[in-house]
Amino acid sequence: QKEVEQDPGPLSVPEGAIVSLNCTYSNSAFQYFMWYRQYSRKGPELLMYTYSSGNKEDGRFTAQVDKSSKYISLFIRDSQPSDSATYLCAMSANFNKFYFGSGTKLNVKP
Amino acid sequence: DGGITQSPKYLFRKEGQNVTLSCEQNLNHDAMYWYRQDPGQGLRLIYYSQIVNDFQKGDIAEGYSVSREKKESFPLTVTSAQKNPTAFYLCASRASSNTGELFFGEGSRLTVL
Repeated sequence: QKEVEQDPGPLSVPEGAIVSLNCTYSNSAFQYFMWYRQYSRKGPELLMYTYSSGNKEDGRFTAQVDKSSKYISLFIRDSQPSDSATYLCAMSANFNKFYFGSGTKLNVKP
Repeated sequence: DGGITQSPKYLFRKEGQNVTLSCEQNLNHDAMYWYRQDPGQGLRLIYYSQIVNDFQKGDIAEGYSVSREKKESFPLTVTSAQKNPTAFYLCASRASSNTGELFFGEGSRLTVL
């Protein structure tokens, strides 16, 4: 079983839609949770960082962590064509090692 | 500008040849990482280094080697022992033990002919 599971998509939505991206994990020791955005042939860039359970909002992006269910989500409001990219979840227990999901490819259609 | 520079961006090699990928950072970060990215498999950790002159194997270290002689440099050698080396390689760094933010380079695409 993989440490982190993520639906690879692709996910196609119209501009302005609310997007929901999700990951599940198996290691209850994970306490640091991150979402990265990766454009084609580029390195990932950090979007959101959350410690332990709860919600965090930054502009159009909201990250949620439910440690009891071992489930994390990223919501994108008012999605834009420029949001089209692959979204990677990542998590860590102690910052020594980071475990990444396989990424969900998102396409926002104008 | 501060950041992570990976070179070369694209590299072709023949089977049986070793190749070294460069990773340089001017962020003054202590920790550095090498990941491999294959379609549908996400990022897999090859090696990581928390401080100079020290590094640890990740989940897929076989067929790879690294060195960390300087804080700003963490080169990765893909040896002929790596059975399936064609992939996108990403180098990352992290500031300290109190942050989970990884800063990534632009990646190096290695193709074995």
